Amino acid sequence: GAGVSQSPRYKVAKRGQDVALRCDPISGHVSLFWYQQALGQGPEFLTYFQNEAQLDKSGLPSDRFFAERPEGSVSTLKIQRTQQEDSAVYLCASSFGQTSGGRSGTQYFGPGTRLLVL
Amino acid sequence: EDKVVQSPLSLVVHEGDTVTLNCSYEVTNFRSLLWYKQEKKAPTFLFMLTSSGIEKKSGRLSSILDKKELFSILNITATQTGDSAVYLCAVGSGNTGKLIFGQGTTLQVKP
Repeated sequence: GAGVSQSPRYKVAKRGQDVALRCDPISGHVSLFWYQQALGQGPEFLTYFQNEAQLDKSGLPSDRFFAERPEGSVSTLKIQRTQQEDSAVYLCASSFGQTSGGRSGTQYFGPGTRLLVL
Repeated sequence: EDKVVQSPLSLVVHEGDTVTLNCSYEVTNFRSLLWYKQEKKAPTFLFMLTSSGIEKKSGRLSSILDKKELFSILNITATQTGDSAVYLCAVGSGNTGKLIFGQGTTLQVKP
């Protein structure tokens, strides 16, 4: 596709439910990032993939958060036993290159999944 | 701790005004500084800056980076109501290029 797509766009979950959020990056993009954006705040880094390898997961807030990108394209962010504090917009971004230096490192964002945990 | 600070947090102007948005940073292993515009959906890319003193320009928007003083500004001239949005500043850091974002500046342009 022309841009990064994410699904679902909105998700309401009851506390304790598991959720799975999907990201389809721009075709051919090597790098994929997940960010969490709380209301009124800037996005915060969660995790980074280079192709299928998860090279940085330092931003994942707890072991309830798990991400994968098994074939180096589509990625899924899974949250187990959701809590109210998990309510946020989850943004996915992809870039052609492997670093943020230079034009190939520009990250392009998807529309996000707005998660509400009741 | 790495941080990016934007100011002001919010701004209300009238069409035709010129605005300057500020971004200061303290980030180890700096790679680049990026500006994004966020309306009710995906942040859209505006500029990437890697070198000091070189102005980047796109239409009514321009931006410049000062790596000595660790800040960047985003200028918007002749503002229009369609410029109303949250403007995000982010610094790319480290080998992975993860972005560290500021809180954003909410700009409202009144007719």
